[in-house]
Amino acid sequence: SAVISQKPSRDICQRGTSLTIQCQVDSQVTMMFWYRQQPGQSLTLIATANQGSEATYESGFVIDKFPISRPNLTFSTLTVSNMSPEDSSIYLCSVEWGHGTGELFFGEGSRLTVL
Amino acid sequence: RKEVEQDPGPFNVPEGATVAFNCTYSNSASQSFFWYRQDCRKEPKLLMSVYSSGNEDGRFTAQLNRASQYISLLIRDSKLSDSATYLCVVNLAGGSQGNLIFGKGTKLSVKP
Repeated sequence: SAVISQKPSRDICQRGTSLTIQCQVDSQVTMMFWYRQQPGQSLTLIATANQGSEATYESGFVIDKFPISRPNLTFSTLTVSNMSPEDSSIYLCSVEWGHGTGELFFGEGSRLTVL
Repeated sequence: RKEVEQDPGPFNVPEGATVAFNCTYSNSASQSFFWYRQDCRKEPKLLMSVYSSGNEDGRFTAQLNRASQYISLLIRDSKLSDSATYLCVVNLAGGSQGNLIFGKGTKLSVKP
């Protein structure tokens, strides 16, 4: 299994500001994934982060709004830029355990509230 | 049509009851299927994978019907600790690894 630490666990932010969420994994992984879970909604994949290359974004998500860094095989950051109340959500970092197993391990999530 | 659809519940059952959750998916080319469990204010965790032949893990039984694009989860002898939201998850064929499509979840509350 993988142990994933996310920071911050929660934050309250003002409209127009940006917040960077950090994700640290206790083992080296090729791909890390960032998901969003809005209130009462299902998890939605934002982007896939590979070490050494640009992140791959899913439909509806763009790099300017959600820039991602992946400086090494155990760490990634997701920034939520120019926040609005619609960005209030839980943001989850995850990694896949085993190739193609579909078993994802998630961090505990970062609960973001934008006022 | 939503890609993965579940009855949101809540299902309120007494301890010891048997409860079944259903899930339908829209993409007939989907390859892999899972049930995840998410406790209140916690991250999702894999409960079990779902195989074509059906599979059982203790009190939990998962079944897949590809023809009907239907997945089920049966929980026998419910425990208080089974209270959680159960997420039906499908791996979208051709999608990137980790691009699992999550249902909104079915909430289960087991009462003493």
